Amino acid sequence: GDSVTQMEGPVTLSEEAFLTINCTYTATGYPSLFWYVQYPGEGLQLLLKATKADDKGSNKGFEATYRKETTSFHLEKGSVQVSDSAVYFCALIGAAGNKLTFGGGTRVLVKP
Amino acid sequence: GAVVSQHPSRVICKSGTSVKIECRSLDFQATTMFWYRQFPKKSLMLMATSNEGSKATYEQGVEKDKFLINHASLTLSTLTVTSAHPEDSSFYICSARTQENQPQHFGDGTRLSIL
Repeated sequence: GDSVTQMEGPVTLSEEAFLTINCTYTATGYPSLFWYVQYPGEGLQLLLKATKADDKGSNKGFEATYRKETTSFHLEKGSVQVSDSAVYFCALIGAAGNKLTFGGGTRVLVKP
Repeated sequence: GAVVSQHPSRVICKSGTSVKIECRSLDFQATTMFWYRQFPKKSLMLMATSNEGSKATYEQGVEKDKFLINHASLTLSTLTVTSAHPEDSSFYICSARTQENQPQHFGDGTRLSIL
């Protein structure tokens, strides 16, 4: 079945540091890929998405590129802020188009 | 953007109580809604998928008689935790989407604590 693997956290950074969260997936066909962010005590918010190979999703300074050849969708941000402290989930919707499959989540803590 | 409202945000009640959680799509029609459970510092576990006007489809290991789901309209789904016990304490999150392959939009979650 479909699966998503992302790096375990927590990831602790200083403000203005570069952030990368690795995400790889296993799925049949051509899934749609997503990054969601969860702030403390809240639900999930869609951060960005990509629906086909080589697409780049971007939002709020975050970027991720759909790499079919490496089955990856790594999340990057060039200069993080304290307000970026959250848990980030990589996810996909597979060929069946029905359910989201989540990675385990990566907690990011940005210190001033 | 698409907004999903979940209510209540927090519930504390005694063991044996039944608790109802509402999930509403405020500005779009949700043909499908999903209910997740999230344990501390863990990912989301899909409990069930509900389509408007149909019976919910439960994931393996989820007791349908324990977690009653109703999706009576295109903007409202409810999850009722029947005869809740301390082991049911968790963070419950709903999501909604308009159609397949479209992003799911999440509510802010409900923190359920059973004493």
